[in-house]
Amino acid sequence: QQQVKQSPQSLIVQKGGISIINCAYENTAFDYFPWYQQFPGKGPALLIAIRPDVSEKKEGRFTISFNKSAKQFSLHIMDSQPGDSATYFCAASGSARQLTFGSGTQLTVLP
Amino acid sequence: DAGITQSPRHKVTETGTPVTLRCHQTENHRYMYWYRQDPGHGLRLIHYSYGVKDTDKGEVSDGYSVSRSKTEDFLLTLESATSSQTSVYFCAISVQGMNTEAFFGQGTRLTVV
Repeated sequence: QQQVKQSPQSLIVQKGGISIINCAYENTAFDYFPWYQQFPGKGPALLIAIRPDVSEKKEGRFTISFNKSAKQFSLHIMDSQPGDSATYFCAASGSARQLTFGSGTQLTVLP
Repeated sequence: DAGITQSPRHKVTETGTPVTLRCHQTENHRYMYWYRQDPGHGLRLIHYSYGVKDTDKGEVSDGYSVSRSKTEDFLLTLESATSSQTSVYFCAISVQGMNTEAFFGQGTRLTVV
């Protein structure tokens, strides 16, 4: 039972372009929505996170847009760089004890 | 990197044998988690711990057990390994749980043949 659906599965973007990854959730009890970035051979690392009291959060080139009524949130990477090439996971949590991940998006930024 | 060490980093084992993976932290965080990562499934929670001797099941706990006798160590045991348990296993830690930042280890690649 996948409670967080992520798309696309893979994404190829030119350097300087905008990368957009989308996620949808089902459980209205979720109240914490992080994005994790994972490089090959490494564990995931927190990139940026949002709570449902705001509709957007920006940190540098990375922005989360959150639509509570649609139960959707997305990651936007502005001015994408080859160093951004990684796998990105959205996730959602409604308690301290569990974090439910999306299936991941493999991003490739071409030089 | 957060002070998380997973061991071993790689292991090949035969079907039916028991396997124990270790997660060691130096951060004194209360919460510890075991996830498995498989293509197309993201990361799925196996078991978690919210204190010494306090553990609970996650989404995919069948065939796995855990123990936490000290704050710093969280062990994951495959009682009788099966090929479906071939995966990359990640340990994670968090101060206040998974609704705050979690830190992941480097992972253990387990192959069951």
